[in-house]
Amino acid sequence: DAGVIQSPRHEVTEMGQEVTLRCKPISGHNSLFWYRQTMMRGLELLIYFNNNVPIDDSGMPEDRFSAKMPNASFSTLKIQPSEPRDSAVYFCASTRTAAGEQYFGPGTRLTVT
Amino acid sequence: AQSVTQPDIHITVSEGASLELRCNYSYGATPYLFWYVQSPGQGLQLLLKYFSGDTLVQGIKGFEAEFKRSQSSFNLRKPSVHWSDAAEYFCAVGPGGGADGLTFGKGTHLIIQP
Repeated sequence: DAGVIQSPRHEVTEMGQEVTLRCKPISGHNSLFWYRQTMMRGLELLIYFNNNVPIDDSGMPEDRFSAKMPNASFSTLKIQPSEPRDSAVYFCASTRTAAGEQYFGPGTRLTVT
Repeated sequence: AQSVTQPDIHITVSEGASLELRCNYSYGATPYLFWYVQSPGQGLQLLLKYFSGDTLVQGIKGFEAEFKRSQSSFNLRKPSVHWSDAAEYFCAVGPGGGADGLTFGKGTHLIIQP
């Protein structure tokens, strides 16, 4: 069974450019989460979806960040325009609602220069 | 608001020695508690979880954790560490058994001495 798949694994971009991160959750999971990991702030929840519907986006830092889940097998996190302070590792995780544990993808390491 | 504190940023343990990583949480109701491990450049892997019932829970790789409500703690233990246990360990708390977002501690970096 494939785990959570994230792409790209690494992204280097210049300030002001648009960045799109992608996530494919585990088949059958209906909750999806986006987290950001930095040295200063640790792991932070950005947004999560239940059954493709955004439930809580209070962790999204600014209007430059947006996330979508058009279907049960795909989600995107977009940053436009990107800034150097957005440099971080972005993780996607999924779970079956009320099942308990979240399964994490390998992450996307984003560097904005 | 819920929060998780891992008071030790770094811990160094000799191979074969016992290990205890501390975790304290703040949460208004019965928490759902997790320990995850992250190896360099990797995602997070679940070690164990506590939802209810027996307060001593067993996990993978020989780890266990004990929930102590009176102390708001959920410490992770292992009787004998191996060099492969060197990694970053995160304690997390959530309100809905994982179907809601988790709040993570800042992590404890475990170093294993030969």
